[in-house]
Amino acid sequence: GAVVSQHPSRVICKSGTSVKIECRSLDFQATTMFWYRQFPKQSLMLMATSNEGSKATYEQGVEKDKFLINHASLTLSTLTVTSAHPEDSSFYICSASGTGWEQFFGPGTRLTVL
Amino acid sequence: AQSVTQLDSQVPVFEEAPVELRCNYSSSVSVYLFWYVQYPNQGLQLLLKYLSGSTLVKGINGFEAEFNKSQTSFHLRKPSVHISDTAEYFCAVHNQGGKLIFGQGTELSVKP
Repeated sequence: GAVVSQHPSRVICKSGTSVKIECRSLDFQATTMFWYRQFPKQSLMLMATSNEGSKATYEQGVEKDKFLINHASLTLSTLTVTSAHPEDSSFYICSASGTGWEQFFGPGTRLTVL
Repeated sequence: AQSVTQLDSQVPVFEEAPVELRCNYSSSVSVYLFWYVQYPNQGLQLLLKYLSGSTLVKGINGFEAEFNKSQTSFHLRKPSVHISDTAEYFCAVHNQGGKLIFGQGTELSVKP
């Protein structure tokens, strides 16, 4: 149990376009979802925390207008990178937690902005 | 603020040798501690976790870790590694704000 999926697994886009990444909890209801960013050879950096039906809470230094997070249902959260630029290229990982606090991680999405 | 320090960024080791990946945390309150493994271009997989009780925690793939409160450590060990254990390993602490705080990661490289 506690499976989290992400789609797409890889995406390449042109600079200036927007990209949407989906995170789904497949076998449980995720009241809270987390979005992380990971640069090569580095650790995970928490970007934001979202609770179903509420606005996301962003970590300091993360631009909320650039990284739009929607958590409209108990099984789906989306991260939209707006007007993407090459410096936004990274590995984005989501996690989800249900009634407990333990986080279950998705497989990640590799974003490359040309 | 809580923090996690993984003392070794890279650990090269020969196949079938024992390995220890070190992790220290800073916290003045009870903590939940985790070790995750990340294979290239993949998400995180939970190896083991310490919530309470026995300080020796056994996880998947033959890994174990020992919680040492006095030394604020949670080192990961395996008595005999395989080539397939080559990966990045992250230690993490769950803070009271509901967030996971990760260490910098340790790259384990197992050589034949």
